[in-house]
Amino acid sequence: DAGITQSPRHKVTETGTPVTLRCHQTENHRYMYWYRQDPGHGLRLIHYSYGVKDTDKGEVSDGYSVSRSKTEDFLLTLESATSSQTSVYFCAISESRASGDYNEQFFGPGTRLTVL
Amino acid sequence: SQKIEQNSEALNIQEGKTATLTCNYTNYSPAYLQWYRQDPGRGPVFLLLIRENEKEKRKERLKVTFDTTLKQSLFHITASQPADSATYLCALPVYGGSQGNLIFGKGTKLSVKP
Repeated sequence: DAGITQSPRHKVTETGTPVTLRCHQTENHRYMYWYRQDPGHGLRLIHYSYGVKDTDKGEVSDGYSVSRSKTEDFLLTLESATSSQTSVYFCAISESRASGDYNEQFFGPGTRLTVL
Repeated sequence: SQKIEQNSEALNIQEGKTATLTCNYTNYSPAYLQWYRQDPGRGPVFLLLIRENEKEKRKERLKVTFDTTLKQSLFHITASQPADSATYLCALPVYGGSQGNLIFGKGTKLSVKP
C-alpha cells in the first residue's frame, strides 16, 4: 500500500462545529486530492493541491477549505459542519510523468464523518 | 458537460464466467481512461490505465478495451472468482483540467457466486 494515512478514521460531530481531517503521505508525491463518496453520487473531488501552498477547487468545494503547508500533509476543514457533509472522505495522491501523462491515484483508507 | 456512466449498478455472475463491465462517456475525447477496484470500507485501488491509441490492455485475468469511436471502455475479468467481488470504478481525466484531476463513474458492484 502507498504510504497514505487519514485521521481520524471515524468522527461524529454536531452541526455548526468546525472539523479538520488530515491526510498524511510518505511517498513525496506532488499532487494530493480530497474526495467525498456518497451513495448515488460516487466519488466527487472537493479540493486538490499541486504543491506546497498551491491548492484549487474541485467539483464540490462549497463549505470546505484546505491547506498544504508541507508536502506530506493536506488538511481538509469544514468551517461549520452541516448534515449534508455527512459522508466518507478519501484522500488521494499522485505523481505526474515527464510526458504529461498523469499517473494513477493512490487512495487513503477514508474517514467516515457523521454530522448530527 | 462531461459525463461518465457505468451502465450497471450491480452485476451478478457465476464463478468461472467472464464478467464484463461497461463505462461510457460523452462530450469529449480523453487521452486515457483508468479502472479502479474498491472493496467495502476501503479506498479505491488502481488496476489499469489505457491510452486513447491503445485498443486493448491486459493484466493477468483483466482485459480493458477502449473504443474512442463509441466512447466506451469495456472491463473484462476472465475466469472470475468470488474474490473478484467488489465495486469497479472507471475514471477519466477532467476535460480541460490539470494536475491529473479525474472524474469517476459511480461504479458497478460485481458479485461472483461460487
